[in-house]
Amino acid sequence: GENVEQHPSTLSVQEGDSAVIKCTYSDSASNYFPWYKQELGKRPQLIIDIRSNVGEKKDQRIAVTLNKTAKHFSLHITETQPEDSAVYFCAASQGGGGNKLTFGTGTQLKVEL
Amino acid sequence: GAVVSQHPSWVICKSGTSVKIECRSLDFQATTMFWYRQFPKQSLMLMATSNEGSKATYEQGVEKDKFLINHASLTLSTLTVTSAHPEDSSFYICSARELQGYNSPLHFGNGTRLTVT
Repeated sequence: GENVEQHPSTLSVQEGDSAVIKCTYSDSASNYFPWYKQELGKRPQLIIDIRSNVGEKKDQRIAVTLNKTAKHFSLHITETQPEDSAVYFCAASQGGGGNKLTFGTGTQLKVEL
Repeated sequence: GAVVSQHPSWVICKSGTSVKIECRSLDFQATTMFWYRQFPKQSLMLMATSNEGSKATYEQGVEKDKFLINHASLTLSTLTVTSAHPEDSSFYICSARELQGYNSPLHFGNGTRLTVT
């Protein structure tokens, strides 16, 4: 089955700096890669996703890049703000409505003032 | 956007009792729902895939007789933790895709914090 690795496990940045979280996946058949943000005790919220036919996607301060050959994808947050502090999870799936998502281990991001 | 409602949001039960958790898709139909479990400071681990009108598919290591899943309609899936024990204490989250058949965002319920005493 799919295996998703995520690094780093914790990340501390100063407000205004950029944050980068990296993930690798094992199954070359995976073609959908979402990123979720989870605040303490709350549900994961989708913040951005990318499909395998695209190499990069951007939404305001958030961007995701995908390297299919290397089987890795990254989340980039620019101009970080305190409210960006949360746990971020990457995930991968093979597509299809019934296909499951495999999650990475999570990154605790702390944005310091 | 798509909304997944989960109930209850928290429950405390005694060891040996059973607990039922409901997951509803409020504004869309879901032939498939997914049940995840999350221990503190850990990732979301898929427990099972709930299929409307048929048996659930369980992940390796998840006891199907302990975690009973029923998906009787296109908008409701239930997870029953039977004979709960303290080690079953966890955050249980259901999820569903609004659009079936190809990659679309997975929407999560609010989760259920289960504490077994």
